[in-house]
Amino acid sequence: QSVLTQAPSTSGTPGQRVTISCSGSSFNIGNNYVHWYQQLPGAAPKLLIFRNNQRPSGVPDRFSGSKFDTSASLAISGLRSEDEADYYCAAWDDTLNAWVFGGGTKLTVL
Amino acid sequence: EVQLLESGGGFVQVGGSLRLSCEASGFTFNNYAMAWVRQAPGKGLEWVSAINGRGDNSYYADSVKGRFTISRDNSQKTFYLQMNSLRAEDTALYFCAKIFWFGAVNIPTDAFDIWGQGTMVTVSS
Repeated sequence: QSVLTQAPSTSGTPGQRVTISCSGSSFNIGNNYVHWYQQLPGAAPKLLIFRNNQRPSGVPDRFSGSKFDTSASLAISGLRSEDEADYYCAAWDDTLNAWVFGGGTKLTVL
Repeated sequence: EVQLLESGGGFVQVGGSLRLSCEASGFTFNNYAMAWVRQAPGKGLEWVSAINGRGDNSYYADSVKGRFTISRDNSQKTFYLQMNSLRAEDTALYFCAKIFWFGAVNIPTDAFDIWGQGTMVTVSS
């Protein structure tokens, strides 16, 4: 059971906009930055969004992040087949003194 | 190019030990805190441990506390994870990662911005 809660799967068609949600508590998302990672099949995770809504250099602006209270969301617009991957949210937890991850959401592009 | 390269994974029996290494290149290593994150087969990501740039402060997940030790050698631009008393549930792909913000003294509770390719640890009875 992950500390941060994500839906196990979601899907969309090319060109569509999809949203992946991440729910936590006041001890993690509510009081700390949220980060998002993309893991393509067979690859290492890659930082996609950091500090709630910042994109590292090279990440397309089709990807955006937001946070409100104890929840966060990752939005992907103009969906492409190469976006098919697992997406993980993460945050520092003040009570556990640990980084915590969501269980991951598998995005399928139909 | 900023890069991390893990090594040291393999097969080990329950109760055994293994040391993982992660060699860094392309950035000022001693300015940054580093971390280990693992992924059991077919499962999600789990943070394991982190160490500051100076190597004198560290954090551990409860699941490995007392069994795993993180350390670093800044002269070699390498950090390590010594894993003792290994259990079957430690079986995972272990990734090393760089923490985004400067962390020579403290360990910033920030994003993991650079990841290695992973090294597999299999613990069997």
